[in-house]
Amino acid sequence: DGGITQSPKYLFRKEGQNVTLSCEQNLNHDAMYWYRQDPGQGLRLIYYSQIVNDFQKGDIAEGYSVSREKKESFPLTVTSAQKNPTAFYLCASSPGLAVQTSYNEQFFGPGTRLTVL
Amino acid sequence: GDSVTQMEGPVTLSEEAFLTINCTYTATGYPSLFWYVQYPGEGLQLLLKATKADDKGSNKGFEATYRKETTSFHLEKGSVQVSDSAVYFCALDTGRRALTFGSGTRLQVQP
Repeated sequence: DGGITQSPKYLFRKEGQNVTLSCEQNLNHDAMYWYRQDPGQGLRLIYYSQIVNDFQKGDIAEGYSVSREKKESFPLTVTSAQKNPTAFYLCASSPGLAVQTSYNEQFFGPGTRLTVL
Repeated sequence: GDSVTQMEGPVTLSEEAFLTINCTYTATGYPSLFWYVQYPGEGLQLLLKATKADDKGSNKGFEATYRKETTSFHLEKGSVQVSDSAVYFCALDTGRRALTFGSGTRLQVQP
């Protein structure tokens, strides 16, 4: 089955440590995204990538880093510079701007809940 | 810039009641509009979409009509069930970057 996987589902980190969240898709999508969701709030865009080897900052990129070395993978690193990293992290993908459609529907993974101890 | 405004929740209804969740947007051009649903502890699932004015998206008894004149995309369902309890997000796509999401509306349906 095609879809997006995120791992792990739950992640605990000590203050001052970097941690990497995995996101893999087998939908052959060009574009991938990372969002952060805090309790009772909407989604905020961290980083996005429209194509392999290219990515752009979203609205809250400070303290985060990404890479896009392969089409199917878009890992997110939460660095020690991120002041309040405890949140629910969602990865998504879409066909991309190169696809001739009138919309850019996004497909979401199940999320990773990160807790800083 | 682009923005989406949703009614604040939680919305609490009894089973079989009529549901409306309001969504209005601000965007340049002609965005596509979406409703996503999030069940507890899970990611978002696309519920329905509309790509141009007067389009009606529908799925699982939910409907929403793209109203350009009022810049709205209200979500409706004629008879809600307990299993519809979730958080609902309205979103728009202008094709420039990523989706712009509203803050979400929590729906609680009581038996």
